[in-house]
Amino acid sequence: ETGVTQSPTHLIKTRGQQVTLRCSSQSGHNTVSWYQQALGQGPQFIFQYYREEENGRGNFPPRFSGLQFPNYSSELNVNALELDDSALYLCASSRSRGQETQYFGPGTRLLVL
Amino acid sequence: KQEVTQIPAALSVPEGENLVLNCSFTDSAIYNLQWFRQDPGKGLTSLLLIQSSQREQTSGRLNASLDKSSGRSTLYIAASQPGDSATYLCAVILSGYSTLTFGKGTMLLVSP
Repeated sequence: ETGVTQSPTHLIKTRGQQVTLRCSSQSGHNTVSWYQQALGQGPQFIFQYYREEENGRGNFPPRFSGLQFPNYSSELNVNALELDDSALYLCASSRSRGQETQYFGPGTRLLVL
Repeated sequence: KQEVTQIPAALSVPEGENLVLNCSFTDSAIYNLQWFRQDPGKGLTSLLLIQSSQREQTSGRLNASLDKSSGRSTLYIAASQPGDSATYLCAVILSGYSTLTFGKGTMLLVSP
């Protein structure tokens, strides 16, 4: 059984640019959740996708957007990058949108200069 | 709004000691509580999951307890080892929701 994978592992961008992060869910999982973890903080929920539809969103501005594909992989897009967007972005997949156990990927470290 | 607090923020112990990490949450209407381990710059590894109807879960040297009414959970690590050094995160899912709310974590250092 393949676990959750994320790409790229590291990324450096400059303020104002746009970035796309990718996540492949674990086999048999149809739900993907994205979290942002700033240094020294716990992860904060960004949004969740279930069967290609957004199924909940945290307190993040609209420049954070997402997508889920028919194979249940997912993308996180961030426009107009700000310095405070520098963080570890974690993706988690689960069997369903219910209260199933979430399995996390290794994360993408984004640095905005 | 659910808030999760973890105490202490950091802990340093010699190898072999037993230790307790604490987690508290403000809204007791939780569905479950999970403890995670995070190595520096890495993703999260689930250690233990306690359903709201359970009082504790055990895995090897780890034991997690849950007191929903008082909004508290503890993670007990027996006979600590240097390989246990990591940040330990507590997270809850509220009933009716499917998203995790995390604490800031406890950074543990076990010295040989």
